[in-house]
Amino acid sequence: DARVTQTPRHKVTEMGQEVTMRCQPILGHNTVFWYRQTMMQGLELLAYFRNRAPLDDSGMPKDRFSAEMPDATLATLKIQPSEPRDSAVYFCASGSGTGTDTQYFGPGTRLTVL
Amino acid sequence: AQSVTQLGSHVSVSEGALVLLRCNYSSSVPPYLFWYVQYPNQGLQLLLKYTSAATLVKGINGFEAEFKKSETSFHLTKPSAHMSDAAEYFCAVSRGAQKLVFGQGTRLTINP
Repeated sequence: DARVTQTPRHKVTEMGQEVTMRCQPILGHNTVFWYRQTMMQGLELLAYFRNRAPLDDSGMPKDRFSAEMPDATLATLKIQPSEPRDSAVYFCASGSGTGTDTQYFGPGTRLTVL
Repeated sequence: AQSVTQLGSHVSVSEGALVLLRCNYSSSVPPYLFWYVQYPNQGLQLLLKYTSAATLVKGINGFEAEFKKSETSFHLTKPSAHMSDAAEYFCAVSRGAQKLVFGQGTRLTINP
């Protein structure tokens, strides 16, 4: 049963620390998305990649967030420095790249910044 | 710009009763529409999607949704609620670039 995996599942850190979240998309999927979920804002698209190239990161605070795909099996989302307002659940999703394609979501990383 | 409005952040129904979760969309072009479900501490899972084929779409777990262009709606229904349906439900719209715009979600509670 192919799944999107995310690590870590939970992360508690102090303000100012670097946070790295990792995602392994489903093998063969060429599109990867990062979302953030908060009570106040709901689900927001931060960035997405197709064939490892960033297509849109307009939803991401550029000064502290960065997203990369070092290879086809790994996507990373980094926050440096982290702030309490970054506390949220971060989801990765992958798909096969067509317009009507289903996005398959990972279980999320719950980030708490103290 | 596309957007989705889910009417009712919290819906409560009795077990065995009809489930109706409302979604209205705004789009300048024919949209692709999705319903996702999120169980506690899990990611989102696709229930069903509308991609301009049949207007009545059947999904998993007995759910279905009907696309009504005249009403710009895509409401989700299930004839008989089960306790396992308790979750949060998200309606989303995409214009084909795979960028989903989600509604705020509706939390469904099932009363025994």
